[in-house]
Amino acid sequence: QKEVEQNSGPLSVPEGAIASLNCTYSDRVSQSFFWYRQYSGKSPELIMSIYSNGDKEDGRFTAQLNKASQYVSLLIRDSQPSDSATYLCAVNEGYGNKLVFGAGTILRVKS
Amino acid sequence: GAVVSQHPSWVICKSGTSVKIECRSLDFQATTMFWYRQFPKQSLMLMATSNEGSKATYEQGVEKDKFLINHASLTLSTLTVTSAHPEDSSFYICSARDGGRMNYNEQFFGPGTRLTVL
Repeated sequence: QKEVEQNSGPLSVPEGAIASLNCTYSDRVSQSFFWYRQYSGKSPELIMSIYSNGDKEDGRFTAQLNKASQYVSLLIRDSQPSDSATYLCAVNEGYGNKLVFGAGTILRVKS
Repeated sequence: GAVVSQHPSWVICKSGTSVKIECRSLDFQATTMFWYRQFPKQSLMLMATSNEGSKATYEQGVEKDKFLINHASLTLSTLTVTSAHPEDSSFYICSARDGGRMNYNEQFFGPGTRLTVL
């Protein structure tokens, strides 16, 4: 059973701070890694994808991948109250196109 | 780009009836579509994977005769919940994979359908 583990939170950060979200996965073969944001009552929205070791930056978001440690993280700089949501880490299963989702980390940004 | 729609957004039905949910990719051809179910305060649970023109692949524990999936075209997949019961009440979300994109494992989600069975 392939697993993706996330701290459920809630992670509370003040407005303007950096939020750091972490995820570990069990499948060493996985090649694609994603972060989705899900607001309460809504469907997930893709915010970052990363495929190779290192950092990938997009605006206020930075995804970090370390395949040797089977670890992927998401940094949100200058956190805003509108960033308050559940963040889902997703990893493709094996060589296929199915995604395995973590249970999500609740982020709360307090103004 | 990469917009996925779902219809209806919510539905209330009586126990024993069937409900059809449509999932459409609006600006790309979806070679593969996925159907998920999400119960309150839980993560997404993959129900099945459907490829255009072929039978869906169901996850373990998902009844294929109860959850009928059709993927007749590259832009449309449907999920029919047959003989729905209150325990089928959930948030059903589809996603689509754009086979023409380099990052082909990306999945784009529809807005979801909230099903309530009375």
